[in-house]
Amino acid sequence: DIQMTQSPSTLSASVGDRVTITCRASRRIPNYLAWYQQKPGKAPKLLIYEASTLETGVPSRFIGGGSGTEFTLTIDTLEPDDVATYHCQHYHSYPWSFGQGTKVEIK
Amino acid sequence: EMQLLQSGPEVRKPGDSLKISCKGSGFTFSDHWIGWVRQMPGKGLEWIGIVFPAGPLAKYSPSFQGHVTVSADESLSTAYLEWNSLKASDSGTYYCAREAVPRTASPMDVWGQGTTVTVSS
Repeated sequence: DIQMTQSPSTLSASVGDRVTITCRASRRIPNYLAWYQQKPGKAPKLLIYEASTLETGVPSRFIGGGSGTEFTLTIDTLEPDDVATYHCQHYHSYPWSFGQGTKVEIK
Repeated sequence: EMQLLQSGPEVRKPGDSLKISCKGSGFTFSDHWIGWVRQMPGKGLEWIGIVFPAGPLAKYSPSFQGHVTVSADESLSTAYLEWNSLKASDSGTYYCAREAVPRTASPMDVWGQGTTVTVSS
């Protein structure tokens, strides 16, 4: 089974900062990688799929990158509305799995 | 509007059985794999398993296989997650979600609102 490792677990930054979250797969998953945003008390929301394709309606400040085993989610200019937990997930082969999540806070 | 509507919160005792549901609308339910995800309080997301309503086909995470059953009733556009014998460690919020591309492994683009399960003696 493929394990996903996310870092950092918590990230604190100022409004306007550029922040990056990393997700590593235990083996190659080409670009079968999705990112989700989850706000407190809410269901996750799909942000990015195929490692770098923005879901419809997602702001362009969210940028996905990487392939193979290492992936990144960058928020280009952090806004207050981006406070949330971000999760990566592979869908290369069953069973799917998620990273541990990264909580993004505003300083 | 595409949506998944889950059944309400549940409180059970250890050893009880339980079946929670997830009803789809606004899309062709039988075309999409429907997955289940657990989130324990303050923790990350855990993928439980997935069912293809028109199958029936189901796949499970080894961490959950043998303890839960995922199923679906195509005629009711409803998916289910079931336990025969609950444990306290099953407490958490359970989400159902639709895989985006019909009949194809893909990320989850439509999510239910979550069902909170509390197991306590």
